[in-house]
Parts: sequence; C-alpha cells; structure tokens
Amino acid sequence: AQSVTQLGSHVSVSEGALVLLRCNYSSSVPPYLFWYVQYPNQGLQLLLKYTSAATLVKGINGFEAEFKKSETSFHLTKPSAHMSDAAEYFCAVTLGGYNKLIFGAGTRLAVHP
Amino acid sequence: DAMVIQNPRYQVTQFGKPVTLSCSQTLNHNVMYWYQQKSSQAPKLLFHYYDKDFNNEADTPDNFQSRRPNTSFCFLDIRSPGLGDAAMYLCATSRDRGGSTDTQYFGPGTRLTVL
Repeated sequence: AQSVTQLGSHVSVSEGALVLLRCNYSSSVPPYLFWYVQYPNQGLQLLLKYTSAATLVKGINGFEAEFKKSETSFHLTKPSAHMSDAAEYFCAVTLGGYNKLIFGAGTRLAVHP
Repeated sequence: DAMVIQNPRYQVTQFGKPVTLSCSQTLNHNVMYWYQQKSSQAPKLLFHYYDKDFNNEADTPDNFQSRRPNTSFCFLDIRSPGLGDAAMYLCATSRDRGGSTDTQYFGPGTRLTVL
C-alpha cells in the first residue's frame, strides 16, 4: 500500500536560508508524487508534481523537488526562504488508476527575519 | 479564471442540525472529491464522484452524504453533525481519475463549527 512520511512536523529557517522539507514514500508501483502548500484557512495549492518524467521537478514560487528512487524520497527545496513561504506543506502520493491522494502528516514551515 | 469555489467559507451549525456545504467548479472536470481536514491534520478523503458514479471511502461515517446534480456542482450533507465533525472541508476536482494529467485542484475550503 502507498504511504508517505514527512520527517519533521515543524521546520524553522531564517529568511534567505535554504528550505529543505523531507518526504519519503512507500509504493509497490511507480508513484505519482505531489507537494501541496496550505496557507492558514485556505485550500491546498499544488506546488509541483512528479509523474515519471524528469526526476528533478521545478514548481511554483522557486520550489523544486528531486525524485530519488534508490532513497524512496521526494524532498522539497528552495534555495532562499522568503517570509511569504511560511505555511503548511503536504507531500502526497496517488494510487495509480484511482487518483486517491494519500497525504503525509504535513510540515509547518516558519520563516523568521 | 477556471476554479473551484466553495460556499460558504465559514459555517456554524448546532449539534444535530443538518448542514449542507457547496462546491462548484468551472474546470469541467469529471471527478469531484470531498476531504475532511481536522485541526493540524492531513486531509482525509471522504468520497468522490467520477461523473455520476459515487465512490464512498470504507471508513466514511454514514452521517456524511453527497450529491452531484450536474457536472459543475457537488454538495456535502452532514445529517446530524456532532462536535467531532468540526473541521475544514475541502472540495477538489480532477479531469480524470488516473494518470499523470490528473492533478487535483482544491477549493479554499469551508470551515465548519459545531456548537
């Protein structure tokens, strides 16, 4: 069965510092992987997705993620954090053919001056 | 802009009083989903419609029902809300139900308070 584990429920970085949010997946078949961002009292916005094309995926707002099959990872990075990046980030995997999103528990990113 | 719209954004109901949440989409997508997200938790799928075909998740309580009268609209009915049903309810759509093009697009959510 597919599952997702996000390491670190809270991450805090300084403005301008590297952002690294960790996601590991478990899947018996090649997965589709997603990162979503959620701002307070808002819905989820797609940052990027991996669909078995390029392993390095670029998303919106300067975020990117690299699919590493050997490590079963799909970590999200951004070279330089901005105050507006403070939000909850969810990694998710889908069951192919069903499109049911299985979410990780989420990582709350705080950015301080 | 094509989008997913949820009304109302905030809903207050009383314990046991039926409530309906609304979702509409201008994307002309075949699939519409309802998720429940409790505070500080990940969204959890309740059910989805693939066109007119209703698909319930095995652990969704009977208290939750859904209707999809046409492609654009989908409703979530909570027949007898309990205190434990207070949550953010998220509607999402996707063009189809499998494959690399089938990203789910989310609405802004409805936050339900049960008094």
